[in-house]
Amino acid sequence: EAGVTQFPSHSVIEKGQTVTLRCDPISGHDNLYWYRRVMGKEIKFLLHFVKESKQDESGMPNNRFLAERTGGTYSTLKVQPAELEDSGVYFCASSQGLAYNEQFFGPGTRLTVL
Amino acid sequence: KQEVTQIPAALSVPEGENLVLNCSFTDSAIYNLQWFRQDPGKGLTSLLLIQSSQREQTSGRLNASLDKSSGRSTLYIAASQPGDSATYLCAVKGGSARQLTFGSGTQLTVLP
Repeated sequence: EAGVTQFPSHSVIEKGQTVTLRCDPISGHDNLYWYRRVMGKEIKFLLHFVKESKQDESGMPNNRFLAERTGGTYSTLKVQPAELEDSGVYFCASSQGLAYNEQFFGPGTRLTVL
Repeated sequence: KQEVTQIPAALSVPEGENLVLNCSFTDSAIYNLQWFRQDPGKGLTSLLLIQSSQREQTSGRLNASLDKSSGRSTLYIAASQPGDSATYLCAVKGGSARQLTFGSGTQLTVLP
């Protein structure tokens, strides 16, 4: 069974540009999460989808970040326009069903904003 | 607001030693706690998941315990090997939220 995949693995962009990150969860997992780790900080929650619906987006830092999960399969996270402080590693995770189920993480996308 | 603390931040031990990593959390109303391993430049690998009703979980040389009332978990690694060198992260899922709250991790180095 394939794990959580993320694309691209690395992205280097200039301040003001737009970047779109993609996450493909484990097949059949209704729950999809985005997290990020910025330099020197803990991994922080961004948002949670249940199928195609946003369950919780309390961790989204501002309106430059837009997440979608059309059709309840893969998800995209767009940053527009990117700022220097957006640099970090963006992780995606997925889980089945209920709240107590294990979350499985992807390898992450390392974003560098110059 | 849930806060997760991991001590120590870094640990260096000789090969073969048994060791304990510590994790504490401020809000005991949790669903579960997960221990992860992260190798440099890689993603997170889930090691053990302990549900709030459980006291411990074991996988091979790893044993994780949970004391929910005191807000603590430990990860015990037996007979450490150089291949165990990585950053170990503790994360709790609590309350009405389904997201994980992470600690800052313990960077483990096992010397051959």
